[in-house]
Amino acid sequence: KQEVTQIPAALSVPEGENLVLNCSFTDSAIYNLQWFRQDPGKGLTSLLLIQSSQREQTSGRLNASLDKSSGRSTLYIAASQPGDSATYLCAAQDSNYQLIWGAGTKLIIKP
Amino acid sequence: KAGVTQTPRYLIKTRGQQVTLSCSPISGHRSVSWYQQTPGQGLQFLFEYFSETQRNKGNFPGRFSGRQFSNSRSEMNVSTLELGDSALYLCASSLEAARGINEQFFGPGTRLTVL
Repeated sequence: KQEVTQIPAALSVPEGENLVLNCSFTDSAIYNLQWFRQDPGKGLTSLLLIQSSQREQTSGRLNASLDKSSGRSTLYIAASQPGDSATYLCAAQDSNYQLIWGAGTKLIIKP
Repeated sequence: KAGVTQTPRYLIKTRGQQVTLSCSPISGHRSVSWYQQTPGQGLQFLFEYFSETQRNKGNFPGRFSGRQFSNSRSEMNVSTLELGDSALYLCASSLEAARGINEQFFGPGTRLTVL
């Protein structure tokens, strides 16, 4: 059974810092891994999707990597801004095509 | 291009009642998935519909059901509501040109409170 874990559960950093969020999964048989952000009381915004055959994806200040062999994905945020404050969730699409979710990392960027 | 829309945004019901939530996917998207989000359990997959057929189902009791119409709009129904059904219900759509490679786009959710 696929399990997805995100560490840390919360992170607070000063504005301008580069940071890395971690996501690990127990079963390497995934179709893809997707990163989302969620603002309080809101729905989810898709950030990046990495297919199982890919190693990384980039969008602006965001870079996501995928290492299936070690069961890990990272989301790198460069030059963080207060507007990046949100909860970041990763989800792995398993062999049954279901998205299995991590519990999220709550990120606070201090001005 | 309009995003995924969900109605209503907020709903208050009492135990034992039933509720229907609606989701309109992005135009052209054929797959609609539903998720329940609670502080205790996080995000959990409910079911997925594709071309009016339920293609995938999570581990929820039969009180949770859904359907998809020919225009890809989807509804989710919860009967005999329990206090534990209070949650944010999220709908997501994807193009599904091929399985396993499609990005999911989420609506704002319906916040259901059961009293």
